[in-house]
Amino acid sequence: KAGVTQTPRYLIKTRGQQVTLSCSPISGHRSVSWYQQTPGQGLQFLFEYFSETQRNKGNFPGRFSGRQFSNSRSEMNVSTLELGDSALYLCASSLGLAGVPSYEQYFGPGTRLTVT
Amino acid sequence: GEDVEQSLFLSVREGDSSVINCTYTDSSSTYLYWYKQEPGAGLQLLTYIFSNMDMKQDQRLTVLLNKKDKHLSLRIADTQTGDSAIYFCAERPLSGGYNKLIFGAGTRLAVHP
Repeated sequence: KAGVTQTPRYLIKTRGQQVTLSCSPISGHRSVSWYQQTPGQGLQFLFEYFSETQRNKGNFPGRFSGRQFSNSRSEMNVSTLELGDSALYLCASSLGLAGVPSYEQYFGPGTRLTVT
Repeated sequence: GEDVEQSLFLSVREGDSSVINCTYTDSSSTYLYWYKQEPGAGLQLLTYIFSNMDMKQDQRLTVLLNKKDKHLSLRIADTQTGDSAIYFCAERPLSGGYNKLIFGAGTRLAVHP
C-alpha cells in the first residue's frame, strides 16, 4: 500500500505571496492532519480534516487554512506569507472513523517551505 | 495543560542499549507514541502504548509507561548506527479531540562505533 504523499517537496516563496500544499493520504484513510515543524517551536498541530470537514484546529492565525476533498486528499493554504512561516509542513493520515479517534497516524515526507 | 518534555541529546555505543525518556503533563492522554525522524525525512511511527498498559515490547523496542509519574521511556536494544535519528515522544490528550498529537522537542540519538 502506498504511503502518504506530499507535493511539492520543496518550495521557495517571497514574503506576501500565498502557497498551497497538497497531501494524499494512504488509500482508505479518511482523516488528514497537518503539522508545522520549525527549529524554534518544534512540531505544532495545525488542523485536522475528516470527511471534508475540519474537526479540530490548532492555535494558528487565520492565514493558515485547509480543505479536504471527497477522495480524502487535502490541501493547506498559507496566505500573505511571512518569514516565520518557513518550516517543514507535515501531513499525517489516519483511518478515521466518525466520532472515534484513530490509534495510528502515518506521516508523509513533508514539504519544505522557505520564505524569502 | 499540554506539555511533553524530553532530553535533547543521547550518545551511545553501537551494540549497547539506548533509553530515551519523556514526561508528559496531561493525565487524560489515552495513547502515547514514539516517532523517529531521519534527516530530511518525515516522521516514522515506531510504536505506541495505550494508557492502561505498563509495558509494550516490539522486537528491539520496549516502551515503559509510568502513569502515576507521567513518564514514558523507549528502550532500543542492540543499538545500531541506523538508529541514529531524532526520536519524538507524543501524547494524544483526550481534551485535544480526535487526532491532535502534542510532541516533545525530540531527542537526538547519536550511535558511535
